[in-house]
Amino acid sequence: QQQVKQSPQSLIVQKGGISIINCAYENTAFDYFPWYQQFPGKGPALLIAIRPDVSEKKEGRFTISFNKSAKQFSLHIMDSQPGDSATYFCAASRTGTASKLTFGTGTRLQVTL
Amino acid sequence: NAGVTQTPKFQVLKTGQSMTLQCAQDMNHEYMSWYRQDPGMGLRLIHYSVGAGITDQGEVPNGYNVSRSTTEDFPLRLLSAAPSQTSVYFCASSYRASGIDEQFFGPGTRLTVL
Repeated sequence: QQQVKQSPQSLIVQKGGISIINCAYENTAFDYFPWYQQFPGKGPALLIAIRPDVSEKKEGRFTISFNKSAKQFSLHIMDSQPGDSATYFCAASRTGTASKLTFGTGTRLQVTL
Repeated sequence: NAGVTQTPKFQVLKTGQSMTLQCAQDMNHEYMSWYRQDPGMGLRLIHYSVGAGITDQGEVPNGYNVSRSTTEDFPLRLLSAAPSQTSVYFCASSYRASGIDEQFFGPGTRLTVL
């Protein structure tokens, strides 16, 4: 059972463009929604995270938009750079269960020159 | 700090062999977890621990055992390897800070079972 659905599977964006990755969740008990970035041969690393008490969180060029009623959240990468080329995973968990993340299937982002 | 370390980086096993994937963290994190990563399936939780002496099953625990005798170490054991266990395995640890339940991941172990 896929509790966190992620799309698209792959994405090609030109340098300077906006990359958008979407996720939808089913479990209404989830209240922590992180995004992880993974480079080839490396482990995932936390990029940005949000809780349902806010609808948007921005850190530099990365923004999470959260829609609680639709049970959806998305990652926007503004001014995408070749160095952003990586695989991105959305995830979800309940507060206090940091050891039990449920991940989406991942999006492979390629930023071209 | 070394963070989360995993050994070995690569391993090839024959069906039926056993092995232990090692994981250690030096951040004094209470929580530790094991995930497997397969193409098109993201990362799936195998087992997790909320402290020394406490472990529980995740989404895909069959064929794997864990124990947590110290805060620092969380080994994952494959008792009788199967080709379906070919995957990349990630260990992670986490703490609570400012309300963000961040998990720190190790570099992974790529396991092939023939």
